[in-house]
Amino acid sequence: EAEVAQSPRYKITEKSQAVAFWCDPISGHATLYWYRQILGQGPELLVQFQDESVVDDSQLPKDRFSAERLKGVDSTLKIQPAELGDSAMYLCASSRGSDTQYFGPGTRLTVL
Amino acid sequence: SQQGEEDPQALSIQEGENATMNCSYKTSINNLQWYRQNSGRGLVHLILIRSNEREKHSGRLRVTLDTSKKSSSLLITASRAADTASYFCATLNQAGTALIFGKGTTLSVSS
Repeated sequence: EAEVAQSPRYKITEKSQAVAFWCDPISGHATLYWYRQILGQGPELLVQFQDESVVDDSQLPKDRFSAERLKGVDSTLKIQPAELGDSAMYLCASSRGSDTQYFGPGTRLTVL
Repeated sequence: SQQGEEDPQALSIQEGENATMNCSYKTSINNLQWYRQNSGRGLVHLILIRSNEREKHSGRLRVTLDTSKKSSSLLITASRAADTASYFCATLNQAGTALIFGKGTTLSVSS
């Protein structure tokens, strides 16, 4: 069964450093999402792509976060510089349409 | 801005018992989805119920939807230790694109 791949699974960094997360969606899924999940909360959307285009990045802190999906397949989410409050689980999901989303295992970020 | 709110926040039961979780939401929906998240892992889609459906079953899962009360419930029958996880309800945002999740119900099933 196809799965969404994410790497790294865990990342520890110091504040003010740059970090990057990678996501490879299920083949054929045109829509890709990045969510951030703070401990004890539900995931919250950061950015949504349809193919290589950004559909919604209204909740992305653009002063420090950037996301790209250059060829409409895999995607990278970057944080520069990282802050203590960025410690969270970063989840990538993909879907064919707007119904069922399939999630990757996530990247647990700890900022020291 | 969270659309759904699950209740209770935490639930502890014994194996074999049934677990019921509730979700309330604020705006009109096309569908409502339930996801499960094991500790420190990604989310797994459990079931989707459309706004014109009142009840749906999948294995040991039963979901109901009451659009007049803007609420849904997830029933897990004959629970197992492996059902220990957090359960989230989710609805689409106003643009109909991305999901908005509640804070989740943490279910603990002890053997």
